[in-house]
Amino acid sequence: GENVEQHPSTLSVQEGDSAVIKCTYSDSASNYFPWYKQELGKRPQLIIDIRSNVGEKKDQRIAVTLNKTAKHFSLHITETQPEDSAVYFCAALYSGAGSYQLTFGKGTKLSVIP
Amino acid sequence: GAVVSQHPSRVICKSGTSVKIECRSLDFQATTMFWYRQFPKKSLMLMATSNEGSKATYEQGVEKDKFLINHASLTLSTLTVTSAHPEDSSFYICSATRGGEDTQYFGPGTRLTVL
Repeated sequence: GENVEQHPSTLSVQEGDSAVIKCTYSDSASNYFPWYKQELGKRPQLIIDIRSNVGEKKDQRIAVTLNKTAKHFSLHITETQPEDSAVYFCAALYSGAGSYQLTFGKGTKLSVIP
Repeated sequence: GAVVSQHPSRVICKSGTSVKIECRSLDFQATTMFWYRQFPKKSLMLMATSNEGSKATYEQGVEKDKFLINHASLTLSTLTVTSAHPEDSSFYICSATRGGEDTQYFGPGTRLTVL
């Protein structure tokens, strides 16, 4: 089955700096890579996603890059704000031929210091 | 669009009792619903996948007789924790997908505490 590794497990940045979270996956058949933000005690919320036919996607201060050859993808947050503080999870999905398997990374706790 | 609700948000029960958690898709028909369990400071662990009108598919190590899942309609799935014990205390989260989409939309979660 799929295995998703996520690093770092914790990340502290100064407000205004950039934050980068990296994930690797093992199954080359995975074709969809969402990123979720989860605040304490709340539901995971989708913040950005990317498909395997795209190398990069950007939405305002958030961007995701995908390297299919190396099987890794990264989340980039620029101009961080205190409200960006949360746990971020990457995930990799294989879907096709009646199968749907979403595997999550272990999460990164991001702290943005004012 | 794509709002998922869960009820109750919190439940405290005595050991040995059963607890039912409801998951509803409010503004879409959910072809598939998922149930996750999340321990403090840990990732989401998939328990089971359910499609409307068919039996749920449980992940390895998840007891299907203990965690009963019913997906009676395209907008409702229920998880019943039978004979709950303190080790079942956890945050249970459901999610749902719309037809033809890969994105999972999560419910707000249910905090279960078994005394």
